[in-house]
Amino acid sequence: ETGVTQSPTHLIKTRGQQVTLRCSSQSGHNTVSWYQQALGQGPQFIFQYYREEENGRGNFPPRFSGLQFPNYSSELNVNALELDDSALYLCASSLDRDRGVHFGNGTRLTVT
Amino acid sequence: EDQVTQSPEALRLQEGESSSLNCSYTVSGLRGLFWYRQDPGKGPEFLFTLYSAGEEKEKERLKATLTKKESFLHITAPKPEDSATYLCAVRFYGGATNKLIFGTGTLLAVQP
Repeated sequence: ETGVTQSPTHLIKTRGQQVTLRCSSQSGHNTVSWYQQALGQGPQFIFQYYREEENGRGNFPPRFSGLQFPNYSSELNVNALELDDSALYLCASSLDRDRGVHFGNGTRLTVT
Repeated sequence: EDQVTQSPEALRLQEGESSSLNCSYTVSGLRGLFWYRQDPGKGPEFLFTLYSAGEEKEKERLKATLTKKESFLHITAPKPEDSATYLCAVRFYGGATNKLIFGTGTLLAVQP
């Protein structure tokens, strides 16, 4: 069973730039979601994709957007980066709504 | 408002000294309570999902229990390698499949 893999592991960007983070879901998992984890905090839900459509969103502005591809891989795009966007970005996948949710090791984004 | 509170924030144990971590929650319609272990710089590692009051699950030195308002993670005879942050999260009916509400975690340090 393959796990959830994310790339890159670390990234440094300048305020105002745009960034794309990538995720490959666990094999067979058709639901993927993204989380933001600030230092010392629990992860915060950004949004979820199911069958290539966004079907759930947390309290994040529209400059956070995403895509899911037919092979269940996914991207998180963040435009107009702000300093407060510096965090660990986590991708998670699950088989269905009554199973465990499995996380990747994240991308550490630093905005300067 | 749906909320998850974990206590204590930090816990230091001697090797072999058993203890419990607490996760209290207020959510309308619980559809799963999750426990994760997170090591520094890594993503959360799935441990357990509990679905109904009275349910218990075990894995090595860890045992998770669930009541209608809280969950406990019991650690029996811990070893230094059990040192990590333990996160609790809930999923609720009506929410997106992978939308979990997390607590801020308990940082556990086990000294030899």
